[in-house]
Amino acid sequence: GIQVEQSPPDLILQEGANSTLRCNFSDSVNNLQWFHQNPWGQLINLFYIPSGTKQNGRLSATTVATERYSLLYISSSQTTDSGVYFCAARERDTGRRALTFGSGTRLQVQP
Amino acid sequence: DTGVSQNPRHKITKRGQNVTFRCDPISEHNRLYWYRQTLGQGPEFLTYFQNEAQLEKSRLLSDRFSAERPKGSFSTLEIQRTEQGDSAMYLCASSPQIVGTDNEKLFFGSGTQLSVL
Repeated sequence: GIQVEQSPPDLILQEGANSTLRCNFSDSVNNLQWFHQNPWGQLINLFYIPSGTKQNGRLSATTVATERYSLLYISSSQTTDSGVYFCAARERDTGRRALTFGSGTRLQVQP
Repeated sequence: DTGVSQNPRHKITKRGQNVTFRCDPISEHNRLYWYRQTLGQGPEFLTYFQNEAQLEKSRLLSDRFSAERPKGSFSTLEIQRTEQGDSAMYLCASSPQIVGTDNEKLFFGSGTQLSVL
C-alpha cells in the first residue's frame, strides 16, 4: 500500500514566524488532505488538495502530484496553530476508499 | 450542521469485557469511516460504510471487532473480549458523496478514548 512520510517530525516556532511542512507519498493519489489535530484531539480538515495550490487565510497548501509531494505553509504563526499536522492520501486506481495517514508534524508555537 | 458526534467520549474497561461505541455522522453524509489512533501515531483505517453497506475492512480489523450501520445513519463499533492492545482513540469520520467526482473531504468526530485495564 501507499506510504506517507511527513517532515519534520517536530517543529518549535516563535509566534509570528513562518513554516513549511512536507508530505511525501509513494504512489499516485486521487485524494490528499491536510488535517490539524488540536491539543484536545479534534481533527480539523484544513485542505482537500490532490493537486494544485489552495489558500485559506494564513494557511496555504501545494501538491505536486507528478513529484509525489505536498507542502503546507503556515505564515505569521499563532499559539493556536500548535498541535499535530497530518497529511493523508488515497492511492489512485485501487478502488479502495481508505486514507493512509502520515505520522504527523508536531508544531509548538511559543509566545 | 452539528458535526460528527461520538459517544462515549471516554471508556475504561477491564480486559475481556465487551465495549460498544456510537457514531452519529453529519446528516446527509452517506459515507462513514472508522479509524483508530494510538499515541504518537496517525490514524489508521478500520472500516468504511456507504449508506448501510460495509464496503471495506482493514486487515487490522480482527474477528473481535464488528461494525454496523443498520439504517445508513448512525454506526456502532463493538469490540469483544477486549485486550490491552485495543487501548486507543477510536475516531469516526463522515463525508458526502458527490456524484461524478472523487472529491471527498472527511470530517472527524472528537473520538472515543478506550482504556483497557
